[in-house]
Amino acid sequence: QVQLQESGPGLVKPSGTLSLTCAVSGYSISSSAFWGWVRQPPGKVLEWIGEISHGGTPNYNPSLKSRVTISLDRSKNEFSLELRSVTAADTAVYYCVRSPGWYYLDLWGRGTLVTVSS
Amino acid sequence: QSALTQPPSVSGSPGQSVTISCTGTSSDVGTDNRVSWYQQPPGTAPKVIIYEVTKRPSGVPDRFSGSKSGYTASLTISGLQAEDEADYYCSSYRSSTYVFGTGTKVTVL
Repeated sequence: QVQLQESGPGLVKPSGTLSLTCAVSGYSISSSAFWGWVRQPPGKVLEWIGEISHGGTPNYNPSLKSRVTISLDRSKNEFSLELRSVTAADTAVYYCVRSPGWYYLDLWGRGTLVTVSS
Repeated sequence: QSALTQPPSVSGSPGQSVTISCTGTSSDVGTDNRVSWYQQPPGTAPKVIIYEVTKRPSGVPDRFSGSKSGYTASLTISGLQAEDEADYYCSSYRSSTYVFGTGTKVTVL
């Protein structure tokens, strides 16, 4: 059974960097798939942040592209999100996700709430 | 990146059918079969229930069905059950970016 689990700080200061990791179990991140992040501000709708292919090619939402980096750690079977220069508008539940490559997201982590506040 | 348009809410009694629409453009919903639907019960993560417009993942009840006409996709829940009460989001793919719908809250009366 493939599972995704997010981890990282639940509180980040304004202008700081949000860093999250997604541990993947039951499937190698080097196998065919795309690994990504989606966020949901409290009471609001879903927003796709970006993804990285199993080969390491990233693809980001243009609205966040200047602040986002997604990377793979094959040795740990994990992938990570870095979002720089955060503001209160970045407060959200962050989900890590998998896409099998046909324009849908077939697996989601349970999500982790990140609050941006001083 | 503008969101796809969904009705804010729909409701129905147990056993009834409800349909949720998802309106986009020629660049997303109107392109190929790039439409999926996600169910999000309160306090939980979304889960895919329909992909490629009409396909159901293993384990999803067949009372959930999808369709598309032009730039509007639809999700129909037939034989509504109490456990179907949740938020539902459509999604498509535009210019190498996933775009989600505005979300629809389904209430079982």
